[in-house]
Amino acid sequence: SQTIHQWPATLVQPVGSPLSLECTVEGTSNPNLYWYRQAAGRGLQLLFYSVGIGQISSEVPQNLSASRPQDRQFILSSKKLLLSDSGFYLCAWSWARSYEQYFGPGTRLTVT
Amino acid sequence: SQQGEEDPQALSIQEGENATMNCSYKTSINNLQWYRQNSGRGLVHLILIRSNEREKHSGRLRVTLDTSKKSSSLLITASRAADTASYFCATDEYSGGGADGLTFGKGTHLIIQP
Repeated sequence: SQTIHQWPATLVQPVGSPLSLECTVEGTSNPNLYWYRQAAGRGLQLLFYSVGIGQISSEVPQNLSASRPQDRQFILSSKKLLLSDSGFYLCAWSWARSYEQYFGPGTRLTVT
Repeated sequence: SQQGEEDPQALSIQEGENATMNCSYKTSINNLQWYRQNSGRGLVHLILIRSNEREKHSGRLRVTLDTSKKSSSLLITASRAADTASYFCATDEYSGGGADGLTFGKGTHLIIQP
């Protein structure tokens, strides 16, 4: 069976500090991978998606970036965090050409 | 990207009653999905309905889709305390081929009173 992991679970960072959130998927090969952000009481906003190693598409221009160094690893980064980067970050995967997505447990990021 | 809208934003009912949530979207879709999110957790896929389907069942869940009205409803029958969660609809209305990610609504927060 497939599992998806995210870490850390919670993170408190000062404004201007760097960020690295990691997501890994087990039990499948060549998944589509996604990063979403959820602001408090809001729906999900798609940030990045990837259909393969080194292939990243950005949906929203911002100070965040994503990388996929390995087939089942997806990393969300920032060089300098803003207060507005606070939120709940969710990683998800799907089979190639499938619409159903499977979400990780999320990372709660608070920028102070 | 634009987001669909769920209605109502919050719903509180007694255990055992049925809960109905609605979702509207803006453009043409290939399919529509419903997800559940327990507080502070990731989303869990509940059900997918294709654009050529009008109704679909899964256990206590019943989903309808009206493409002419660009709307969907999720019915949870015989609600239980464990159904307390936020429910989101998601469409592929702004994606192509499934890889581009989903467009989520803002969710309905459902509270089941024991």
